[in-house]
Parts: sequence; C-alpha cells; structure tokens
Amino acid sequence: EAGVTQFPSHSVIEKGQTVTLRCDPISGHDNLYWYRRVMGKEIKFLLHFVKESKQDESGMPNNRFLAERTGGTYSTLKVQPAELEDSGVYFCASSQVGGWKLFFGSGTQLSVL
Amino acid sequence: ELKVEQNPLFLSMQEGKNYTIYCNYSTTSDRLYWYRQDPGKSLESLFVLLSNGAVKQEGRLMASLDTKARLSTLHITAAVHDLSATYFCAVDWDNNNDMRFGAGTRLTVKP
Repeated sequence: EAGVTQFPSHSVIEKGQTVTLRCDPISGHDNLYWYRRVMGKEIKFLLHFVKESKQDESGMPNNRFLAERTGGTYSTLKVQPAELEDSGVYFCASSQVGGWKLFFGSGTQLSVL
Repeated sequence: ELKVEQNPLFLSMQEGKNYTIYCNYSTTSDRLYWYRQDPGKSLESLFVLLSNGAVKQEGRLMASLDTKARLSTLHITAAVHDLSATYFCAVDWDNNNDMRFGAGTRLTVKP
C-alpha cells in the first residue's frame, strides 16, 4: 500500500514567487492535514480537511496561503507570494475517519531566498 | 492556546544508559502521541496513549501518560545507536487528530 506522498521533496524559490505543494494521501483516507516546521521549531498545525471540506483552518498563517482539496483526493498548498519566513518543512498527513493513527509524508523542504 | 513543551530539546547519551524525555501540555486531553523522525524521513508513529495511567512499551521505549499532571514521559532503556532520531510528542486537543506538537527532542546515542 502506498503511503502519503508529497511533491516536490525540495523547492527553492525567490521571495515574491509562487510555490504549490502537493500531497497525495493514502487511498480511502478522508482526513488530510497540513503541518509545517520552521527552522527547527515545533511542528505547527495549518489545517485539516475532511474529504473536500475544510474542517479547521485555524493554523493558516495568513492569506498568502491557500489550500485546496478538490474532489476529496489529493491536496495542494499554494503560497503566493512567498516570503522569507515561509521557509521550512511542510508535512502532510492523512487518516481514516475515526482512526487514531496519522500517516505522515516525508515533507517538502521549502527554501525562500 | 494549547502549549506542548518537551524537554530536553537535545539529548546525547551513551549506549547502554537510561533516560527519560518529558512532555507537558497545557489543556485537558486524553489522547497523546509519540512520534519518531529520522533525518529526511517522515514521522513514524510510535505510541498513542488514550487514558490516564496508560503505559505502552515497544522494545527499549516505554511511554506513559498522566492526564491529571498533563504529563507524558518517554523512557529509553539501555540505549542503542539505532535509537538516534528526533522524538516528538503531540496532543490531540479535540480528539479529531488536530494535533499540537512539541518542539521535538533530538536524541543522539553514542557508542
């Protein structure tokens, strides 16, 4: 069974550019989460989808971040325009509804120069 | 705001020694997780603790939960090099997998 996959694994962009991160959850997992870890600090929750609906987006830092999950399958996280402080590792995770276990992807290392 | 504090943040151990990592959290919750992350890899789920007094053990790692004290511990027994990794605790504050993580403990086990 394929795990949670994220693409790209690394992205280096300049300040002001746009970047889109993608997450493919495990098939059948309705719950999808985005987290990020900035510069060795704690992993912070960004948002939570149940199928295509945003269950909780309280962790989204500002309106430069836009997450979508059209059709309830894969999800994208767009940062536009990127700022230096957006650099970090962006993790995606998925789980079954009612399941306790989260399955994480390997993350996307984003560097904004 | 829910806060999750881990200590220590860095831990260097000799093989064969024992040590404990602590995780304090600031709100009522009875679902706490421990994860392991190797460099460049995804987070691997180690334990979920679902009630006060819960204790789980896997190999040289044992996790416990005291919901009254809002404290979880991860105890390492007779450390080996393969345990070197970063360990995170996470609190599921609304039982909906919307987790809040600690900063992580970077463990290095030296021969």
